[in-house]
Order: sequence, then C-alpha cells, then structure tokens
Amino acid sequence: DAGVIQSPRHEVTEMGQEVTLRCKPISGHNSLFWYRQTMMRGLELLIYFNNNVPIDDSGMPEDRFSAKMPNASFSTLKIQPSEPRDSAVYFCASSADFSGQGAETQYFGPGTRLLVL
Amino acid sequence: AQSVAQPEDQVNVAEGNPLTVKCTYSVSGNPYLFWYVQYPNRGLQFLLKYITGDNLVKGSYGFEAEFNKSQTSFHLKKPSALVSDSALYFCAALKAAGNKLTFGGGTRVLVKP
Repeated sequence: DAGVIQSPRHEVTEMGQEVTLRCKPISGHNSLFWYRQTMMRGLELLIYFNNNVPIDDSGMPEDRFSAKMPNASFSTLKIQPSEPRDSAVYFCASSADFSGQGAETQYFGPGTRLLVL
Repeated sequence: AQSVAQPEDQVNVAEGNPLTVKCTYSVSGNPYLFWYVQYPNRGLQFLLKYITGDNLVKGSYGFEAEFNKSQTSFHLKKPSALVSDSALYFCAALKAAGNKLTFGGGTRVLVKP
C-alpha cells in the first residue's frame, strides 16, 4: 500500500494567493483528518471527515480555510487568501474507523510544508 | 476538555541505555492512548496504542508503553536505545467513543553514540 499521499510536498506562495493542498487517503479507509503543525502550537486538528462527510471543523482557524472530500479517495484543504501566519506543515491522516469508536490508528501522510511570504 | 502533557521537551540518552519518554493525560472516562514518532521532514509514524486490556503494550521497533490509570500516565520505554531512535515523539489521547485525537507537545529524543 502506498500510504497516505499528499501533494505538493512543498509550497511557497505570496500573501493573498490561494493555496490548495491535496490528500489521497489509504484505500479502504473511511475517516480523513487534516492537521497543522507549527512550532508555537504543535499539532492541531483542523477538520475530520467520516464517510466523506465533515464531522468536526471546529479546529479550522477562520473562514479563509475550507476543506472538501468529494469522494472516498480525495480531499483538499484550501486557504484563500493565504497569510504569512498560515506557514506550517499540513498533515493529512486517514483511518479505518467503521465502528465510530475512534480507536483505529490514524496513518499520516508526509505532509505539505507551506511557506507564505 | 482533554489534554496531554509531555513534561520533557528533550531527552538525552546514551546508546544502549534505557529510554523513557513521559506522558500524562487528562481524559474523562476510559482513554485510548497512542504514541507516534516523527523523523525529520517526515510524517508521524504509529508506534503503539492502548485501548483496553493488558497495561503493558508492545509496539514497533522494540518500544513499549505502560498504561497507569491511577497516575494517568502512558510512558514510552525502550530497554536499549539506538542512535536511530533519535526523533520527535508524540503522545496522543482520545476519549473512548470520541473522534478527536489530542496530541502532546512532543519530546525530542537524542541518542548519543
């Protein structure tokens, strides 16, 4: 299995530009998570989906952030417009949580390192 | 609200010596507990988890962790550390039947030859 795939691996953009991060979860997994990692705040859960439906987006910083999961094999995290404080590593993770109990292991992608100038 | 604390920002240990990375949690009810490791410029890799049952959990790469309910701790241990174990380690907790994994701040482990 290829694991969780994220693209791009690195993104450098200018303030005000739109940024789209992409994630392909592990085949057969039904839960998908977007995290942000910074030195100051550590690992933060932004949003997670179960069966393609957003369950909890309380971690999304503000309206500039949006996430979609149009099908079981693809998700996007969009920032529009981007700001320098959005610079971070964004991770996508997936799990096979069919029981809804949350006990299943989350498997992380390699991350997208975003730098907003 | 649930929280996870990793009291040590960094742990230094000589190769071959025992390694312990501390974690305490605050989760109502029965928690699910996880350890992940992150190597430079890589995503988090799953090491082990405690869901229920035996308090001593064995995981990948020779790591193990002991769940202690009375002390609300889930310390990660390895009997003999390797230089290749140098990495950032994260403890995480989840309320049973919940869905949001809460991570500790991470502990950087440096194993010196």
